[in-house]
Formats: sequence, structure tokens, C-alpha cells
Amino acid sequence: DAGVIQSPRHEVTEMGQEVTLRCKPISGHDYLFWYRQTMMRGLELLIYFNNNVPIDDSGMPEDRFSAKMPNASFSTLKIQPSEPRDSAVYFCASSPGQVVQPQHFGDGTRLSIL
Amino acid sequence: GENVEQHPSTLSVQEGDSAVIKCTYSDSASNYFPWYKQELGKGPQLIIDIRSNVGEKKDQRIAVTLNKTAKHFSLHITETQPEDSAVYFCAPTWSSGSEKLVFGKGTKLTVNP
Repeated sequence: DAGVIQSPRHEVTEMGQEVTLRCKPISGHDYLFWYRQTMMRGLELLIYFNNNVPIDDSGMPEDRFSAKMPNASFSTLKIQPSEPRDSAVYFCASSPGQVVQPQHFGDGTRLSIL
Repeated sequence: GENVEQHPSTLSVQEGDSAVIKCTYSDSASNYFPWYKQELGKGPQLIIDIRSNVGEKKDQRIAVTLNKTAKHFSLHITETQPEDSAVYFCAPTWSSGSEKLVFGKGTKLTVNP
């Protein structure tokens, strides 16, 4: 089992640039989640998908953030334009679903916006 | 929405001692109670979970106890080892068909050799 794979592991970019984070969930998992972790706000759910369809995006901070899941094995989280306050660790997780199941997390992308 | 509080926020113990972390929640409909462990540079990983029809569950040195009446559940780690040092999160939730987990702020556990 390869686990949830995220890329890149680290990203440093300048304010105003577009940032794209990528995630490959565990094969066969129907749910995919994007989280953001900061010291001040802890671990926050941004958006989650079921069978590639966005179900709840109420945690997306603003229109600069967007997420897509074009197929069952790939998802992206995009920030455009990026701002210094977007600096955080972004995690992707997946779960089999069907009654709440444990979520399997990737190792995250550490994003720094200068 | 669910309001989750964890106590303590930091905990330091000597190797071999026991550690207990408590999680209090507000939604009486919650029926799934997991604990996650996050090591430095890694994502959170599930270590133990319990559903509302069970009061206690044990897996080797770790256990979770649930008090639904008082709306809290606790993580117990016995015979702590340095590799138990990490941040622990609770994430009580209601399996209504929504898969959302609301995570507590975390407890940083340090086990001193």
C-alpha cells in the first residue's frame, strides 16, 4: 500500500504567484480531503470530495483557493494569487467512506509564501 | 457545529510513566471517536478509535475510554516510550453521512528518557 502521496513536499514562492498542490489518494478510497495546518488555527478542513464530486467546500478561505478532482486518483489544490498568510502545511487525506472511517493522511506540503 | 477541546495542551512524562489526554466535545450526536498521532514532519495517523456503542477499547499500550453522558473521551498510554513523543489529536464526529472530522487543537506529549 503506497499510502497517500503529496507533491511537492516543500514549496517556496513569491507573493502573487500561482501555487498548485497535488495529491494521489489510496486506490479504492472514495473520499478525499484537503486540510491546512497552522500553529494559530490548528488543523482545518478546507474541502472534501466523494467519488470525485466536491461535497463541502465551506472551509475554503476565499476565492483565491480552488480544488479539483478530475479522476479517482488525482486531486489538486490551487492558490491564485498566493499571499504570505497562505503559508502553512497542507495535507491531503483519503478514506474508504461508507460510515465514518479512519482518514489516511499524506505527509503534507510545506508552503512558504514570501 | 462540533466544539472540541483537548487537555492538556502539553504533557511531559518520564519514560515508563502513563499519560492521559482528555477530549471534550459539544455535539451529543457524535458517535465516532478517533485519536490521531502526528510525528514531526508527518501527517496525522490514526492510532485508535471507538464507536459509541463501546465504552472502552484497548490495543497493547494504548486505550481509549468514552463517557457519552459527560461528552468526553480519553486516550491512555501506559509504559510510555520516547517514540510516543508526538502531537495527539482527537476528532469526534457524527457519522450522519458527512465524513467531516473536527480536530482538537492537539496535545504535545514529550516522553523523557
